[in-house]
Amino acid sequence: EVHLVESGGGLIQPGGSLRLSCAASGFTVSSNYMSWVRQAPGKGLEWVAVIYSGGTAYYADSVKGRFTISRDSSKNTLFLQMNSLRAEDTAVYYCARVDYDYYYAMDVWGQGTTVTVSS
Amino acid sequence: DIQMTQSPSSLSASVGDRVTISCRASQGISTYLSWYQQKPGKAPKLLIYAASSLQSGVPSGFSGSGSGTDFTLTISSLQPEDFGTYYCQQTYSTPWTFGQGTKVEVK
Repeated sequence: EVHLVESGGGLIQPGGSLRLSCAASGFTVSSNYMSWVRQAPGKGLEWVAVIYSGGTAYYADSVKGRFTISRDSSKNTLFLQMNSLRAEDTAVYYCARVDYDYYYAMDVWGQGTTVTVSS
Repeated sequence: DIQMTQSPSSLSASVGDRVTISCRASQGISTYLSWYQQKPGKAPKLLIYAASSLQSGVPSGFSGSGSGTDFTLTISSLQPEDFGTYYCQQTYSTPWTFGQGTKVEVK
């Protein structure tokens, strides 16, 4: 069965750093496109970043230069390194598998991990 | 960046009603359009990809249509379990963007 489990969220002060993890089972992370999506409290979905199977990554303007998406093939895990965190980065962060054949639709999602940026 | 605008922002309908949600892109996106359903406290769930293809396991009462800039999600006969918020998303070009969501309430 295909499954994604996020971890690494928590309370962090403004300006701090945090690394989120997304462990996959049932498929190979490095062979797929993978993405991060976030949702601020009471708000809609916001796309954050994508990493293609070849390693190319793209970011939302709101996180460019501060966040880095990466993966570890040996652990079959996706990461999101978040630096210079701001209050507006407070959100539930979801990882998702992107299906290239489905016109890049996100067909598998994790349960989410909560990041709170506050002093 | 491509802006996605959904309408209405919310709706309330009765069981059995036909429900339509619109999504408009600020520029043409071919059929690089997906629809997701999200229930409170849960992760989004893919319903429709490539504008009109039904994801495996999704009830046939859901359908999508459109291409270019105008898209529609239709629920042919609203069921009690169809409550939640529905989002469209374009993946034609990065940054990928979501619509603001349409909250569906079942009367």
